[in-house]
Amino acid sequence: GIQVEQSPPDLILQEGANSTLRCNFSDSVNNLQWFHQNPWGQLINLFYIPSGTKQNGRLSATTVATERYSLLYISSSQTTDSGVYFCAVNYGQNFVFGPGTRLSVLP
Amino acid sequence: NAGVMQNPRHLVRRRGQEARLRCSPMKGHSHVYWYRQLPEEGLKFMVYLQKENIIDESGMPKERFSAEFPKEGPSILRIQQVVRGDSAAYFCASSPWRGGSYEQYFGPGTRLTVT
Repeated sequence: GIQVEQSPPDLILQEGANSTLRCNFSDSVNNLQWFHQNPWGQLINLFYIPSGTKQNGRLSATTVATERYSLLYISSSQTTDSGVYFCAVNYGQNFVFGPGTRLSVLP
Repeated sequence: NAGVMQNPRHLVRRRGQEARLRCSPMKGHSHVYWYRQLPEEGLKFMVYLQKENIIDESGMPKERFSAEFPKEGPSILRIQQVVRGDSAAYFCASSPWRGGSYEQYFGPGTRLTVT
């Protein structure tokens, strides 16, 4: 089956800093999504991005499908950005999640 | 436009009891997925259903677990004779009709605790 890796596994930032999260996958995929799981456990859709670049406020994402990776950029981080960021790829008929990047933004 | 609904949000069961988790997809979505998240881990796919059909149950344990998505009503994930290892968060997601690629939307999850 497909392997999905995320890096770094943990990240601690000072409020206002920028960061880049990476998602690598081992095979061609139909699509890719980024999610934020907040400290209360809710999964929030960030981007549906099978290829190309999208931006939403302080967040942006780029997927290079031919090279099998996606990047999530967080600029001017805020404490409310804390939580776990997952990428998930559509492989076959289901989604495979990466292990996540745990982000802590300190005030 | 209501999102994906799951209930109950929290469920406590004693070992050996049955757990029933419900999921109502977003309006217009005919595809439902169930995932399990163990503490401090990522989400693991369990089963993919359409109305009255199980499409892919490759992630579902062979025993004690079953899922259905009837013509009317919510999707149900049923766990019989629960054990402590079943304690986890169970998430449901839905997506619209499949046109080659599709986006999943997640419910708030049901947190199952087995005592």
